[in-house]
Amino acid sequence: GENVEQHPSTLSVQEGDSAVIKCTYSDSASNYFPWYKQELGKRPQLIIDIRSNVGEKKDQRIAVTLNKTAKHFSLHITETQPEDSAVYFCATQGNMLTFGGGTRLMVKP
Amino acid sequence: SQTIHQWPATLVQPVGSPLSLECTVEGTSNPNLYWYRQAAGRGLQLLFYSVGIGQISSEVPQNLSASRPQDRQFILSSKKLLLSDSGFYLCAWSGQRNQPQHFGDGTRLSIL
Repeated sequence: GENVEQHPSTLSVQEGDSAVIKCTYSDSASNYFPWYKQELGKRPQLIIDIRSNVGEKKDQRIAVTLNKTAKHFSLHITETQPEDSAVYFCATQGNMLTFGGGTRLMVKP
Repeated sequence: SQTIHQWPATLVQPVGSPLSLECTVEGTSNPNLYWYRQAAGRGLQLLFYSVGIGQISSEVPQNLSASRPQDRQFILSSKKLLLSDSGFYLCAWSGQRNQPQHFGDGTRLSIL
């Protein structure tokens, strides 16, 4: 089955700095790549997604890049704010949606 | 617009007791439905998914079961809870393949 590796598991940045979270996957048939943000005690919420026919997608301070050849994709958050602090999950869609292990992002004011 | 409801929000149960968690979706037809469990500080473990009424696929063998008696209703059950069943249970729905999954607010289950 699909294997999704997510790094780092924790990430601490200063407010205003950028944060990058990376995921690698194994199933070359995967063609949909969403990112979820989960605040403490809350449900995961979709923040951005990308499909395999696109290399990059941006939504305000958030961007995702995809390298299908290398089977990795990344989430980039610029100008981080304290409210960006949460756990972020990447996922890939092959036969099923497979989630990475999560990254706890802490933005220090 | 589509909405997903999950209840109860929190539940405290003794070991060996039964369980029934319910999830309903509004505003869409024939959704794919999913049950996940999340241990504290951990990732999402897919437990069951359903592509239609009465169609249940299990990802992890355990003492839990799922049923889909109606198109937009998904139920997670157990006859006898174990301590290891504690966790945050999330229901999710999606449309066709390669569409995003949307999660309910979750049920926090504590087993004593």
